[in-house]
Amino acid sequence: NAGVTQTPKFQVLKTGQSMTLQCAQDMNHNSMYWYRQDPGMGLRLIYYSASEGTTDKGEVPNGYNVSRLNKREFSLRLESAAPSQTSVYFCASLGLAGGLDTQYFGPGTRLTVL
Amino acid sequence: LAKTTQPISMDSYEGQEVNITCSHNNIATNDYITWYQQFPSQGPRFIIQGYKTKVTNEVASLFIPADRKSSTLSLPRVSLSDTAVYYCLVGGYNNNDMRFGAGTRLTVKP
Repeated sequence: NAGVTQTPKFQVLKTGQSMTLQCAQDMNHNSMYWYRQDPGMGLRLIYYSASEGTTDKGEVPNGYNVSRLNKREFSLRLESAAPSQTSVYFCASLGLAGGLDTQYFGPGTRLTVL
Repeated sequence: LAKTTQPISMDSYEGQEVNITCSHNNIATNDYITWYQQFPSQGPRFIIQGYKTKVTNEVASLFIPADRKSSTLSLPRVSLSDTAVYYCLVGGYNNNDMRFGAGTRLTVKP
């Protein structure tokens, strides 16, 4: 199992450009999440998807859109990137570990918006 | 929404036991308490989860008092490789109120 994979690992955008961050998991999990992490701060939830075909806003959804393409994939789109969106983005999926719900995180995408 | 408060940083030495306490005064009845560990340039990794009393696994113990307004992560005999940021989360995964705080940066010294 690859677990949770994210592409790309690094990206530099200019203000106003758009891009899509890709996330996939091969653990057959229903729920998936997108977080952002800014320096010295914890992770903040952008959007989540409890199951294929459903998405919901998290704590900081403004400026982002998501698509739950199928059970495996959950993408995050920035339509018009802004410098305030410079951050590290983590995707996660929710599954059972030892009978407990736990999130499995991807390696992250480091995004810089100039 | 359950908000968590943790110390910003802690220092320890190899071989010592480390206890990190998290305050969550407005924890809800159906909330669980979960701790994650994060190394630089990596995503967080699950350590332990509990609802009340004490939980122990192969890497840590979690102590939760009866009022559940706080919890303590205990790492026995830490090593240099335990240097990381530790996050306390309170909430349920069925909705969007799972909040990561700023975390506790643990530095283990030789």
